[in-house]
Amino acid sequence: DAGITQSPRHKVTETGTPVTLRCHQTENHRYMYWYRQDPGHGLRLIHYSYGVKDTDKGEVSDGYSVSRSKTEDFLLTLESATSSQTSVYFCAITPAGLSGNTIYFGEGSWLTVV
Amino acid sequence: RKEVEQDPGPFNVPEGATVAFNCTYSNSASQSFFWYRQDCRKEPKLLMSVYSSGNEDGRFTAQLNRASQYISLLIRDSKLSDSATYLCVVKAGNQFYFGTGTSLTVIP
Repeated sequence: DAGITQSPRHKVTETGTPVTLRCHQTENHRYMYWYRQDPGHGLRLIHYSYGVKDTDKGEVSDGYSVSRSKTEDFLLTLESATSSQTSVYFCAITPAGLSGNTIYFGEGSWLTVV
Repeated sequence: RKEVEQDPGPFNVPEGATVAFNCTYSNSASQSFFWYRQDCRKEPKLLMSVYSSGNEDGRFTAQLNRASQYISLLIRDSKLSDSATYLCVVKAGNQFYFGTGTSLTVIP
């Protein structure tokens, strides 16, 4: 158990509405990540954080923003949800930072945009 | 070209069979390699790391061929509980790259 919780676990929202997904960790890990997983694409990095208020873009960051105001929480916001953002979103941590060899995932947040 | 490529399967094998999955990666500077297991509607979980010398964990054996940029996973004596999707994961620099997964179903 990597001590990661995601909320909400399931959400249905309408196109054009903002949505925020929360990732909470209890073990003071410095590095946190948001991925999305879609059929045929595998896991793709949206944004990651390497400390409080330190974030960077990943491969598929368009339409997403993140914030990390405290170590334990990493928020992913879809500013204006589109149907192409229907996906499952996984938060992840690497225990030893970027030098850490393993990555651990939260249970996922299933988002449907209608 | 994708960073990590896997045969998506599906592989349908009888209980007790031996099954092998392969994965290729494109970045020769990749330094760490893993197999993850993902059950339906669950998060990926680390199955095992892959070392250059090859490594074994019970019924699971992983091999790495850096020259060919190729990773394999062998499962012996398949169990029903092995049914899942197996993800090949490669770390290059500060980034993790994920294959799309190989689906395995073990049939009674």
